[in-house]
Amino acid sequence: EVQLVESGGGVVRPGGSLRLSCAASGFTFDDYGMTWVRQAPGKGLEWVSGINWNGGSTGYADSVKGRFTISRDNAKNSLYLQMSSLRAEDTAFYYCARWVIPAAIVDYWGQGTLVTVSS
Amino acid sequence: QSVLTQPPSASGTPGQRVTISCSGSSSNIGSNAVNWYQQLPGTAPKLLIYSHNQRPSGVPDRFSGSKSGTSASLAISGLQSEDEADYYCAAWDDSLNGWVFGGGTKLTVL
Repeated sequence: EVQLVESGGGVVRPGGSLRLSCAASGFTFDDYGMTWVRQAPGKGLEWVSGINWNGGSTGYADSVKGRFTISRDNAKNSLYLQMSSLRAEDTAFYYCARWVIPAAIVDYWGQGTLVTVSS
Repeated sequence: QSVLTQPPSASGTPGQRVTISCSGSSSNIGSNAVNWYQQLPGTAPKLLIYSHNQRPSGVPDRFSGSKSGTSASLAISGLQSEDEADYYCAAWDDSLNGWVFGGGTKLTVL
């Protein structure tokens, strides 16, 4: 069974940093791309960042470019999102999800971790 | 403002057929597969339809998808109370080099 479990969310001051993690199991991690999608409370879904199977290719939404960094450790079956210069508008549930790149499908999602940026 | 446009709400009575539209452009729906997600209250999104009209295993055949040009639709037939949820369309955008989503449609079963 595919499982994705996010961790690392919490309350952080504007301008601060936070590192999110996503532990994957139930599938061959390095066969897939991975992605982060966020959802502000009561709002819609917004793509944040994606990474290919070996970390050699990454992409970011304009809203986070230069502030967030996606990475992965295939030996640990883990995905990460390093967030810095956080703003109030970054407050959201952050979901990691599996990305079948060739078929353009984001299929399995974790349960999300809440990041609150507030003074 | 979402790149893909969905109606904010839809409704129907049990047993009815409801459709939800999703409008995009040539750089997303016009050239890439469309996926649909169902998000029940307080839970993560779940893949409902991929590649315009394919259902993952376990998704009832009451759910179907279609695409024409730069628009797509999700149809739910035999509406049930447990279908009450938010529904999102999504596609890869070749111009933005990223995933784009619709703003979501809240489906109410009356």
